[in-house]
Amino acid sequence: AQSVAQPEDQVNVAEGNPLTVKCTYSVSGNPYLFWYVQYPNRGLQFLLKYITGDNLVKGSYGFEAEFNKSQTSFHLKKPSALVSDSALYFCAVDRAGATNKLIFGTGTLLAVQP
Amino acid sequence: NAGVTQTPKFQVLKTGQSMTLQCAQDMNHEYMSWYRQDPGMGLRLIHYSVGAGITDQGEVPNGYNVSRSTTEDFPLRLLSAAPSQTSVYFCASSSRDRGFSEQFFGPGTRLTVL
Repeated sequence: AQSVAQPEDQVNVAEGNPLTVKCTYSVSGNPYLFWYVQYPNRGLQFLLKYITGDNLVKGSYGFEAEFNKSQTSFHLKKPSALVSDSALYFCAVDRAGATNKLIFGTGTLLAVQP
Repeated sequence: NAGVTQTPKFQVLKTGQSMTLQCAQDMNHEYMSWYRQDPGMGLRLIHYSVGAGITDQGEVPNGYNVSRSTTEDFPLRLLSAAPSQTSVYFCASSSRDRGFSEQFFGPGTRLTVL
């Protein structure tokens, strides 16, 4: 069965430090992978996606993610965290490629301290 | 563009009552979907539609009905509300032109069933 795991419920980082939010997946065939962000009392916003090609994907607000097929991971990264990055982050995978049946992880709360 | 709009923002129901959550988008997107968000469980797909007149079930369809008579609207009906349906409901839309999976989310409806 297809699944997405976000092993950390919360990640704490100081402003200015690099951040990583982890995601691993299990899906048959080639995965389509996504990161979304949710600010308090808001809907989810698309950050970035991996479909094919370069393993390092760049997205909105300075975020990037690295696709690692051998480790079945798609970790979200940013070189220098901002307090305004504090939010709930979701990793998602498409089950069978471009079907829009996204499977979401349980979310990781990112807290950036000033 | 207003994007994806949802009404109401908040709703309290008694067990057994029925109601309809409204969702509309003005981006001429082919694909629309409904998710529910529960603590520790991420987002789960309830129903989706790939175009007017076409709907299908997602992961957790029981207790919910949908219809898609126009491209713009995709209402979600709860026929007989149960406490297990207490959740935050998100509607999303996406376009074939953007590879479907880059979804745009509405602000959500917070539903409590007593």
